Amino acid sequence: DTGVSQNPRHKITKRGQNVTFRCDPISEHNRLYWYRQTLGQGPEFLTYFQNEAQLEKSRLLSDRFSAERPKGSFSTLEIQRTEQGDSAMYLCASSLAGTELYEQYFGPGTRLTVT
Amino acid sequence: AQSVTQLGSHVSVSEGALVLLRCNYSSSVPPYLFWYVQYPNQGLQLLLKYTTGATLVKGINGFEAEFKKSETSFHLTKPSAHMSDAAEYFCAVSAGNKLVFGAGTILRVKS
Repeated sequence: DTGVSQNPRHKITKRGQNVTFRCDPISEHNRLYWYRQTLGQGPEFLTYFQNEAQLEKSRLLSDRFSAERPKGSFSTLEIQRTEQGDSAMYLCASSLAGTELYEQYFGPGTRLTVT
Repeated sequence: AQSVTQLGSHVSVSEGALVLLRCNYSSSVPPYLFWYVQYPNQGLQLLLKYTTGATLVKGINGFEAEFKKSETSFHLTKPSAHMSDAAEYFCAVSAGNKLVFGAGTILRVKS
């Protein structure tokens, strides 16, 4: 299967701890996106990369959040000093820049619970 | 700024009945529009998309949607609901380099 994969699928952490999530996009896709989805809401954009460059960040992405895509392949999203409000599903998506720019393929998500 | 409104957070239909999920959008530029489906504890799967051209677009699993610019709508329909259609459905509009999603509509299919 060559879809988008995310690890871990579930993460439970205590408030104040740091967590890191990984996303592996579809191999030929040069764009990678992170979204956050809270209960009863649609996904909200956090940030995106084209190759290794992070080109846009949402105001939702506080200083405690950092994302990287070091070699233009997989990406990591780190949350430092987690808060209960960070509890959500974190979704990764990938796409091809160009005519298929907006056809984003989503991974299964990482569900974060902060206790 | 682009936005999406999905009318009805929950829709219930009987198996075999018409499915109609409503989506209205706001966009200052010609939009690209999408419908995604999400099953419990899974990511989003693309059902169909409108970019340019034909305003009636067909997607997977028998779903279709019609882009109506005058009504700023992109409603999702399926002639006959199946139990396996029970899921949450999200409408989305292009916004710069990202998608803006509606709050979702949970579809329940009664036997």
